[in-house]
Amino acid sequence: NAGVTQTPKFQVLKTGQSMTLQCAQDMNHEYMSWYRQDPGMGLRLIHYSVGAGITDQGEVPNGYNVSRSTTEDFPLRLLSAAPSQTSVYFCASRTGGTGASGNTIYFGEGSWLTVV
Amino acid sequence: QQQVKQSPQSLIVQKGGISIINCAYENTAFDYFPWYQQFPGKGPALLIAIRPDVSEKKEGRFTISFNKSAKQFSLHIMDSQPGDSATYFCAASTRGSTLGRLYFGRGTQLTVWP
Repeated sequence: NAGVTQTPKFQVLKTGQSMTLQCAQDMNHEYMSWYRQDPGMGLRLIHYSVGAGITDQGEVPNGYNVSRSTTEDFPLRLLSAAPSQTSVYFCASRTGGTGASGNTIYFGEGSWLTVV
Repeated sequence: QQQVKQSPQSLIVQKGGISIINCAYENTAFDYFPWYQQFPGKGPALLIAIRPDVSEKKEGRFTISFNKSAKQFSLHIMDSQPGDSATYFCAASTRGSTLGRLYFGRGTQLTVWP
Protein backbone atom coordinates (compact mmCIF):
# COMPACT_ATOMS: atom_id res chain seq x y z
CA ASN A 1 0.00 0.00 0.00
CA ALA A 2 1.92 3.05 -1.28
CA GLY A 3 -0.31 5.74 0.25
CA VAL A 4 0.91 9.22 -0.76
CA THR A 5 4.01 9.25 -2.95
CA GLN A 6 6.08 12.34 -3.62
CA THR A 7 8.91 12.87 -6.07
CA PRO A 8 11.62 14.03 -6.10
CA LYS A 9 12.84 13.59 -2.54
CA PHE A 10 15.57 16.21 -2.92
CA GLN A 11 16.04 18.99 -5.44
CA VAL A 12 18.35 21.97 -5.84
CA LEU A 13 17.18 24.76 -8.08
CA LYS A 14 18.68 27.99 -9.25
CA THR A 15 16.77 31.21 -8.75
CA GLY A 16 14.34 31.72 -11.60
CA GLN A 17 14.11 28.08 -12.62
CA SER A 18 10.78 26.30 -12.68
CA MET A 19 10.00 22.79 -11.61
CA THR A 20 7.17 20.46 -10.66
CA LEU A 21 6.84 18.42 -7.50
CA GLN A 22 4.86 15.30 -8.18
CA CYS A 23 2.31 13.78 -5.83
CA ALA A 24 0.23 10.67 -6.29
CA GLN A 25 -2.11 8.80 -3.95
CA ASP A 26 -3.61 5.36 -4.40
CA MET A 27 -6.32 5.59 -1.73
CA ASN A 28 -8.98 7.14 -3.99
CA HIS A 29 -9.06 10.19 -1.72
CA GLU A 30 -11.06 13.19 -2.85
CA TYR A 31 -9.09 15.81 -0.99
CA MET A 32 -5.45 16.55 -1.71
CA SER A 33 -3.29 19.39 -0.53
CA TRP A 34 0.22 20.77 -0.45
CA TYR A 35 1.91 22.12 2.67
CA ARG A 36 5.28 23.65 3.23
CA GLN A 37 7.18 23.20 6.45
CA ASP A 38 9.68 25.75 7.67
CA PRO A 39 11.53 25.78 11.00
CA GLY A 40 9.37 27.24 13.75
CA MET A 41 6.46 27.83 11.37
CA GLY A 42 4.69 24.50 11.43
CA LEU A 43 2.85 23.34 8.34
CA ARG A 44 1.32 25.97 6.11
CA LEU A 45 -1.20 25.20 3.41
CA ILE A 46 -0.20 26.23 -0.13
CA HIS A 47 -3.00 24.88 -2.34
CA TYR A 48 -5.69 22.26 -2.01
CA SER A 49 -8.15 20.35 -4.15
CA VAL A 50 -11.52 18.85 -3.26
CA GLY A 51 -11.69 16.73 -6.39
CA ALA A 52 -10.54 16.39 -9.98
CA GLY A 53 -10.76 19.72 -11.77
CA ILE A 54 -11.23 21.73 -8.56
CA THR A 55 -8.41 23.59 -6.84
CA ASP A 56 -8.11 26.57 -4.55
CA GLN A 57 -5.55 28.61 -2.66
CA GLY A 58 -4.39 28.06 0.87
CA GLU A 59 -2.62 30.56 3.07
CA VAL A 60 0.71 30.81 1.18
CA PRO A 61 -0.12 30.32 -2.53
CA ASN A 62 2.09 32.95 -4.14
CA GLY A 63 4.69 31.54 -6.51
CA TYR A 64 2.99 28.16 -6.80
CA ASN A 65 0.53 26.65 -9.22
CA VAL A 66 -1.48 23.43 -9.08
CA SER A 67 -3.84 21.40 -11.23
CA ARG A 68 -5.88 18.26 -10.60
CA SER A 69 -6.70 16.40 -13.79
CA THR A 70 -7.14 13.02 -12.08
CA THR A 71 -8.16 11.85 -8.62
CA GLU A 72 -4.73 10.30 -8.08
CA ASP A 73 -2.35 13.12 -9.02
CA PHE A 74 -1.83 16.62 -7.66
CA PRO A 75 1.39 18.23 -8.93
CA LEU A 76 2.78 21.45 -7.47
CA ARG A 77 4.54 23.81 -9.86
CA LEU A 78 7.07 26.42 -8.87
CA LEU A 79 6.83 29.03 -11.58
CA SER A 80 10.05 30.98 -10.99
CA ALA A 81 11.92 29.67 -7.97
CA ALA A 82 13.09 32.08 -5.29
CA PRO A 83 15.32 31.47 -2.25
CA SER A 84 12.26 32.09 -0.04
CA GLN A 85 10.81 28.88 -1.46
CA THR A 86 13.57 26.81 0.09
CA SER A 87 11.54 24.48 2.27
CA VAL A 88 10.24 20.99 2.82
CA TYR A 89 7.07 20.30 0.88
CA PHE A 90 4.47 17.78 1.91
CA CYS A 91 1.63 16.46 -0.16
CA ALA A 92 -1.35 15.13 1.76
CA SER A 93 -4.69 13.52 1.09
CA ARG A 94 -7.83 12.49 2.94
CA THR A 95 -11.21 10.99 2.26
CA GLY A 96 -14.27 13.13 1.70
CA GLY A 97 -16.20 11.57 4.56
CA THR A 98 -17.11 13.25 7.83
CA GLY A 99 -16.88 10.20 10.04
CA ALA A 100 -14.06 9.16 12.32
CA SER A 101 -11.68 8.58 9.45
CA GLY A 102 -12.89 11.45 7.32
CA ASN A 103 -10.64 14.02 8.89
CA THR A 104 -7.48 11.90 8.97
CA ILE A 105 -4.92 13.42 6.68
CA TYR A 106 -2.22 11.19 5.25
CA PHE A 107 1.08 12.81 4.38
CA GLY A 108 3.76 11.87 1.90
CA GLU A 109 7.37 11.66 3.03
CA GLY A 110 8.28 15.12 1.83
CA SER A 111 10.33 16.83 -0.85
CA TRP A 112 13.36 18.85 0.25
CA LEU A 113 13.82 21.84 -2.03
CA THR A 114 16.76 24.24 -1.97
CA VAL A 115 16.78 27.33 -4.14
CA VAL A 116 20.18 28.96 -4.58
CA GLN B 1 -3.42 35.08 12.43
CA GLN B 2 -2.37 31.82 13.97
CA GLN B 3 -5.42 29.62 14.51
CA VAL B 4 -3.72 27.16 16.85
CA LYS B 5 -1.02 28.14 19.31
CA GLN B 6 1.33 25.45 20.57
CA SER B 7 3.86 25.41 23.38
CA PRO B 8 6.59 24.75 24.22
CA GLN B 9 8.66 24.97 21.07
CA SER B 10 11.08 22.39 22.42
CA LEU B 11 10.98 19.96 25.30
CA ILE B 12 13.62 17.77 26.89
CA VAL B 13 12.47 14.94 29.13
CA GLN B 14 14.28 12.13 30.85
CA LYS B 15 13.38 8.56 30.00
CA GLY B 16 10.41 7.47 32.06
CA GLY B 17 9.17 11.00 32.62
CA ILE B 18 5.98 12.67 31.46
CA SER B 19 6.00 14.89 28.38
CA ILE B 20 3.30 17.55 28.17
CA ILE B 21 2.58 19.70 25.13
CA ASN B 22 -0.13 22.33 25.17
CA CYS B 23 -2.27 23.91 22.49
CA ALA B 24 -4.89 26.65 22.47
CA TYR B 25 -7.38 27.79 19.86
CA GLU B 26 -9.91 30.59 19.38
CA ASN B 27 -12.31 29.34 16.74
CA THR B 28 -15.24 27.70 18.55
CA ALA B 29 -16.28 26.02 15.30
CA PHE B 30 -13.35 23.64 15.59
CA ASP B 31 -14.55 20.19 16.53
CA TYR B 32 -11.73 17.84 15.65
CA PHE B 33 -8.35 18.01 17.36
CA PRO B 34 -5.62 15.64 16.18
CA TRP B 35 -2.01 15.30 17.15
CA TYR B 36 0.57 14.42 14.54
CA GLN B 37 3.97 12.90 15.16
CA GLN B 38 6.87 13.50 12.80
CA PHE B 39 10.21 11.74 12.80
CA PRO B 40 13.21 13.30 11.06
CA GLY B 41 13.06 12.84 7.31
CA LYS B 42 9.47 11.64 7.37
CA GLY B 43 6.04 13.11 6.90
CA PRO B 44 3.73 13.75 9.85
CA ALA B 45 1.54 10.83 10.86
CA LEU B 46 -1.64 10.86 12.91
CA LEU B 47 -0.94 9.89 16.51
CA ILE B 48 -4.20 10.43 18.33
CA ALA B 49 -7.26 12.64 17.93
CA ILE B 50 -10.19 13.84 20.03
CA ARG B 51 -13.58 15.41 19.46
CA PRO B 52 -14.92 17.95 21.97
CA ASP B 53 -17.70 15.73 23.30
CA VAL B 54 -15.14 14.01 25.55
CA SER B 55 -12.61 15.52 27.93
CA GLU B 56 -9.96 12.86 27.60
CA LYS B 57 -8.82 10.17 25.21
CA LYS B 58 -6.14 7.65 25.93
CA GLU B 59 -4.27 5.34 23.60
CA GLY B 60 -1.48 3.44 25.26
CA ARG B 61 0.99 5.92 26.75
CA PHE B 62 -0.55 8.86 24.86
CA THR B 63 -3.42 10.89 26.29
CA ILE B 64 -5.22 13.96 25.00
CA SER B 65 -6.83 16.18 27.60
CA PHE B 66 -9.44 18.60 26.29
CA ASN B 67 -10.84 21.67 28.04
CA LYS B 68 -13.66 23.07 25.91
CA SER B 69 -14.40 26.08 28.11
CA ALA B 70 -10.76 27.14 28.10
CA LYS B 71 -10.34 26.26 24.44
CA GLN B 72 -7.23 24.30 25.24
CA PHE B 73 -6.04 20.77 24.68
CA SER B 74 -2.87 18.97 25.54
CA LEU B 75 -0.90 15.83 24.77
CA HIS B 76 0.55 13.81 27.63
CA ILE B 77 3.14 11.14 26.95
CA MET B 78 3.53 8.88 29.96
CA ASP B 79 6.72 6.90 30.59
CA SER B 80 8.46 8.79 27.78
CA GLN B 81 10.93 6.74 25.77
CA PRO B 82 13.85 7.72 23.50
CA GLY B 83 11.81 6.40 20.59
CA ASP B 84 9.25 9.13 21.29
CA SER B 85 11.81 11.75 20.29
CA ALA B 86 10.13 13.53 17.40
CA THR B 87 8.32 16.71 16.49
CA TYR B 88 4.70 16.86 17.58
CA PHE B 89 2.06 19.03 15.97
CA CYS B 90 -1.37 19.77 17.32
CA ALA B 91 -4.06 20.73 14.85
CA ALA B 92 -7.72 21.62 14.59
CA SER B 93 -10.43 21.52 11.99
CA THR B 94 -14.19 21.49 11.61
CA ARG B 95 -16.07 18.27 10.97
CA GLY B 96 -17.30 18.03 7.47
CA SER B 97 -15.14 20.89 6.31
CA THR B 98 -15.20 20.88 2.56
CA LEU B 99 -11.69 22.21 2.64
CA GLY B 100 -10.38 19.15 4.40
CA ARG B 101 -8.09 21.62 6.02
CA LEU B 102 -6.25 21.28 9.27
CA TYR B 103 -4.85 24.29 11.06
CA PHE B 104 -1.53 23.29 12.60
CA GLY B 105 0.37 24.54 15.59
CA ARG B 106 4.02 25.36 15.04
CA GLY B 107 5.29 22.15 16.49
CA THR B 108 7.17 20.93 19.56
CA GLN B 109 10.48 19.17 19.23
CA LEU B 110 10.61 16.51 21.93
CA THR B 111 13.89 14.94 22.99
CA VAL B 112 13.81 12.06 25.45
CA TRP B 113 17.18 11.33 27.07
CA PRO B 114 18.00 7.74 27.94
